[in-house]
This record gives sequence, C-alpha cells and structure tokens, in this order.
Amino acid sequence: DIQMTQSPSSLSASVGDRVTITCRASLDIHIYLSWYQQKPGKAPKLLISAASNLQSGVPSRFSGSGSGTDFTLTISSLQPEDFATYYCQQSYSAPPLTFGGGTKVEI
Amino acid sequence: EVQLLESGGGLVQPGGSLRLSCAASGFTFSSYAMSWVRQAPGKGLEWVSAISSSGGSTYYADSVKGRFTISRDNSKNTLYLLMNSLRAEDTAVYYCAKFSDYRIRGYFDLWGRGTLVTVSS
Repeated sequence: DIQMTQSPSSLSASVGDRVTITCRASLDIHIYLSWYQQKPGKAPKLLISAASNLQSGVPSRFSGSGSGTDFTLTISSLQPEDFATYYCQQSYSAPPLTFGGGTKVEI
Repeated sequence: EVQLLESGGGLVQPGGSLRLSCAASGFTFSSYAMSWVRQAPGKGLEWVSAISSSGGSTYYADSVKGRFTISRDNSKNTLYLLMNSLRAEDTAVYYCAKFSDYRIRGYFDLWGRGTLVTVSS
C-alpha cells in the first residue's frame, strides 16, 4: 500500500500569511493526488485534483503543485475561513485509496 | 440539488450489526463509482470501501474485509454499507462519497454530511 505523509501535522498562522503544506507519497504516484479541506463538524471538500487542478468555486489563493512523490498545497494569503484541516489523498494505486494524516491550520 | 444523504447510524453493541444507507440526488447515480470513508473521533480520514458504477466490483480496506459489505441499488439511487461483527474501533462518522467518474481510481468530488456509528456496550 502507498503511504501518504503530510507535514506539518499542525501549524499556527495569521490572516494574510502564506501557508505551505507538504504531502509525500511512499511511491511514485505521478499526479494522482487530491487535496481536501475539512472544517469542524463538516464533511471534507475537494479543493484540488490531479495535483494542481483547482476545482470550480475554490478561491485562486489555493494552489497545488508537484508530481511523483512530493506535493505541495499553498494558500497564498490566509483568510479567516481557511482555518481548517487539510488532507491529501492518492488514487494512483487503488485499492486502497489512502489519505495523509492531515494538517490542522490554526491561529 | 446535487447531494448525498446518509442514514442508519447509531449506537450498537460490540459484535452487532448495522446497515448504513446513502441516498443520492441531482446526478446520474448509475454512472459513478461510490465509496464509504470514515473518521474516528478526533482522527483523520480512512477509506473503508468502494463499489463500481454497475455494482459488479467491490473493494474493502483490510480493517473491514470479511465484516462489511458494500452494495448499491441504481434503481433507487442508493448506496449501502452492511456492517457485521462491529468492534469498538469501528466507532466513527461514516461518509458516503462520490467518485469523479465510473472508476474507483479517482478523487471524491461530492461528500455526504456523514452518519455517526458508535460501538459500545
């Protein structure tokens, strides 16, 4: 099974900060990588698919990059509504589909 | 409106059974693979099971293989998860999730609100 490792597991930031979250796969997954945002008590929401494809309606301050084993989610200017937990997920080798452990972005 | 609505969660004793349902609306249910993903209290997301668009292929995480059964009724636009031999470690919010196309090799572009399953005596 492919393991997904996110870092950091949590971070503190302020409104307006640039935030970078990293996801590393245990094997080459090409660009089969998605990012989700989850707020407390809510379902996850898809932000980015295929490593860098921003979903419709997602603010342009979110961006994704990477291929192979190393991927990055960047929030260019953190807004109050962006405080949440972010997960990466690989779909190159499935089943099983695997998620990263999550990164909690807090004030 | 495009949505998924789970039901069937609740409190069950260890060793017991429960069946979850997920009603889909607003899209052509039979064209998409579907999945269940769970989240234990305070923990991350864990993929549980998936089923192809036709229902002919099913897949399970090792942690539930042999105990859980995924199925779908495309005539009723409904996804199911039958959970047997439940354990305390199965306690979680269970989300129904839609794949981006007919394959299970993809991302989840629509999620339900989730239903809480608590396994406790």
